Amino acid sequence: ETGVTQSPTHLIKTRGQQVTLRCSSQSGHNTVSWYQQALGQGPQFIFQYYREEENGRGNFPPRFSGLQFPNYSSELNVNALELDDSALYLCASSLAGPGSNQPQHFGDGTRLSIL
Amino acid sequence: GQQLNQSPQSMFIQEGEDVSMNCTSSSIFNTWLWYKQEPGEGPVLLIALYKAGELTSNGRLTAQFGITRKDSFLNISASIPSDVGIYFCAGMIKAAGNKLTFGGGTRVLVKP
Repeated sequence: ETGVTQSPTHLIKTRGQQVTLRCSSQSGHNTVSWYQQALGQGPQFIFQYYREEENGRGNFPPRFSGLQFPNYSSELNVNALELDDSALYLCASSLAGPGSNQPQHFGDGTRLSIL
Repeated sequence: GQQLNQSPQSMFIQEGEDVSMNCTSSSIFNTWLWYKQEPGEGPVLLIALYKAGELTSNGRLTAQFGITRKDSFLNISASIPSDVGIYFCAGMIKAAGNKLTFGGGTRVLVKP
């Protein structure tokens, strides 16, 4: 039990649609990161938020965007969905800000399927 | 970009035996982490390593941070059926925030 919860657990969308995924971080954790995990692969870093601002981004296009709220919950938004966006989306939270080496703790993810 | 190579990609275990897996990189990392992921769940942290040469245990699991900072291994002693799952190594560079770079995983299965 990591204390990181994600919703929904599963979601089906069609190409071109938009989706919002949600994450509630472990209490007191002020850094949240989002990862995309394609089937059979390791998670890939999308971006990180610290104190409600984006702090680092992986190799993902601008149609992937996020928000972090004062209560440490966060959202991942994806516009203009493509078939390749089908994946497990993982949220991870950690204590302390960028530059720290505190380990990240993951939620169970949202399985997104694009038809 | 940075890449972590994990080997083996998959392995079969027999109850009671010791197994080992490793992770190598062309880049230096400040922190190495080992996670386990089971079906329908997110990765769960097993061991975190912070210093080159560090050897850390968590129950039957032992992991080491390589001296060169470019590799790490994970050993599981006296395997049991619930050790089945996918094990991921992940590296972190302090200067890059605490973004994780993951390996491709080692899938551990039970011998039929």
